[in-house]
Amino acid sequence: DAGVIQSPRHEVTEMGQEVTLRCKPISGHDYLFWYRQTMMRGLELLIYFNNNVPIDDSGMPEDRFSAKMPNASFSTLKIQPSEPRDSAVYFCASRSTGTTTEAFFGQGTRLTVV
Amino acid sequence: QKEVEQDPGPLSVPEGAIVSLNCTYSNSAFQYFMWYRQYSRKGPELLMYTYSSGNKEDGRFTAQVDKSSKYISLFIRDSQPSDSATYLCAMTASGTYKYIFGTGTRLKVLA
Repeated sequence: DAGVIQSPRHEVTEMGQEVTLRCKPISGHDYLFWYRQTMMRGLELLIYFNNNVPIDDSGMPEDRFSAKMPNASFSTLKIQPSEPRDSAVYFCASRSTGTTTEAFFGQGTRLTVV
Repeated sequence: QKEVEQDPGPLSVPEGAIVSLNCTYSNSAFQYFMWYRQYSRKGPELLMYTYSSGNKEDGRFTAQVDKSSKYISLFIRDSQPSDSATYLCAMTASGTYKYIFGTGTRLKVLA
């Protein structure tokens, strides 16, 4: 398996533009997580899904952020409109219900909003 | 106060040194404790996990959990330059998959 795949790896956009980040979880994993990482705040959980259903979105900073998981192999995180303070590295992770606690992370998308 | 506190470092040690990394937490419901390693411009990778209190050893790495003090540690023996990375603690309560991470400690092992 290729692991969790995120695209794009880097994104530079202007303030006010819509940004869409994409994630393909590991096949067979039933949990998917979106995290945001900054120097100041570390790794913050934004939202997570179980079997394509959002379970906890309490970490989504505001209404400008939305996430979807239309099927088991694809998820998106959208920011509309984007602001400079959204600049961060966004990670997607997946895991399966089982005996271990390991969540596998993608390589991340480095977002810069200018 | 954050649920999980971790000293950001950076921590610089000579090759071969014993490294001690620590986190404190405030939520007594946390039962699963993990250490992730993150190399520059990569995603975090699970290094070790422990359930409840106690010690766990894996090669040069030892994880300790003291639930009474709400304190967890990761020890690295005979540290190597390849151990240079950011180490993140993470924890979660039973029945939830909501991982809470520390901010990470940046470690540099000098050859």
